[in-house]
Amino acid sequence: EDQVTQSPEALRLQEGESSSLNCSYTVSGLRGLFWYRQDPGKGPEFLFTLYSAGEEKEKERLKATLTKKESFLHITAPKPEDSATYLCAVQAGGANNLFFGTGTRLTVIP
Amino acid sequence: DAGVIQSPRHEVTEMGQEVTLRCKPISGHNSLFWYRQTMMRGLELLIYFNNNVPIDDSGMPEDRFSAKMPNASFSTLKIQPSEPRDSAVYFCASSFRTSYNEQFFGPGTRLTVL
Repeated sequence: EDQVTQSPEALRLQEGESSSLNCSYTVSGLRGLFWYRQDPGKGPEFLFTLYSAGEEKEKERLKATLTKKESFLHITAPKPEDSATYLCAVQAGGANNLFFGTGTRLTVIP
Repeated sequence: DAGVIQSPRHEVTEMGQEVTLRCKPISGHNSLFWYRQTMMRGLELLIYFNNNVPIDDSGMPEDRFSAKMPNASFSTLKIQPSEPRDSAVYFCASSFRTSYNEQFFGPGTRLTVL
């Protein structure tokens, strides 16, 4: 059975304190791993897609990496505006639907 | 460009009433997805369409739920009759179907069934 597990469930950081969020997955035939950001009261906002192990992508203070079993979202010198829930999702097999993890709720304290 | 549009943004209804949620996907996208998000279960796929055709409705919880996509620019998710356990945020998302596709989400409809 396909599974996506995100950890930690919640993370509190001081402004400027770098850290990483984890997304581990067990799927058959991974075709893509997606990271989304969700602010309270809003829909998930697309951040990155990673397709193969070893791939990395960056956007401002965020950097996503992918191995054969997990993905990391590294946050460098976070700011309060980075506070949000970060969702990981996988696309596998022949379908084009996504299977989401339950997210990591990040709070960055000024 | 306008993103995915959903209406209403908030819906409060009483148990047993019919509820209809609406979605307009991004122009040019040919895949549309309906999700439900709750604190307990996170984001769950209910049904998705490719080129207006339902492809996978295995996530639809019961026969009380139905979804239609009469054309490329409009979809509805209907709950009849509604129950308190249907209270959740319902999201619509769209994408341009390729081998690897990013989905773009609407702002969601917060449904409360009393």
